[in-house]
Amino acid sequence: SQKIEQNSEALNIQEGKTATLTCNYTNYSPAYLQWYRQDPGRGPVFLLLIRENEKEKRKERLKVTFDTTLKQSLFHITASQPADSATYLCALAGRRALTFGSGTRLQVQP
Amino acid sequence: DTAVSQTPKYLVTQMGNDKSIKCEQNLGHDTMYWYKQDSKKFLKIMFSYNNKELIINETVPNRFSPKSPDKAHLNLHINSLELGDSAVYFCASSQDGVAGELFFGEGSRLTVL
Repeated sequence: SQKIEQNSEALNIQEGKTATLTCNYTNYSPAYLQWYRQDPGRGPVFLLLIRENEKEKRKERLKVTFDTTLKQSLFHITASQPADSATYLCALAGRRALTFGSGTRLQVQP
Repeated sequence: DTAVSQTPKYLVTQMGNDKSIKCEQNLGHDTMYWYKQDSKKFLKIMFSYNNKELIINETVPNRFSPKSPDKAHLNLHINSLELGDSAVYFCASSQDGVAGELFFGEGSRLTVL
């Protein structure tokens, strides 16, 4: 069956460091992969979309990689700030809807 | 102006009751969704409508019935509420389906006692 795995344990890092979050998937061949940010009590907010033929995508301090051979996406936040603390969700495009991972909570310590 | 708005934000009710959650989007998108987020934070697709037509119904009990009076609205009606229905329900919309970003509402937290 199709499965999306994100590290369920929280990631704690110091301000200014690079945060790296992992999304692994099995039994999928997604044409698109997306990353969202979710703050407590709020809806997810779109961050980046990467296509299967793209290796890397950047937006300001954010970088996403997509390795369809390893079936893995990495999400990087450089020069992290306490305001980056949130849960980050990866989502894979199925035929008709996005399927989400359970998310990884990032805590950036000042 | 809120792009995707849901009401109510909180809903506390007894088992066996019937309740509705409303959703409206002012983005002009063709596709709307209902997702359920349980206590473990998994976001699971429930329904999807494209231009008022149901295109996804993911193994959701018949007690859940979506209604789309027009492409800007997608409401969720739940009959005979059960304890396991307690969750946060998110409405979302998109223009390009899975090829584009989803815009989510703020969520409706349903608590069944």
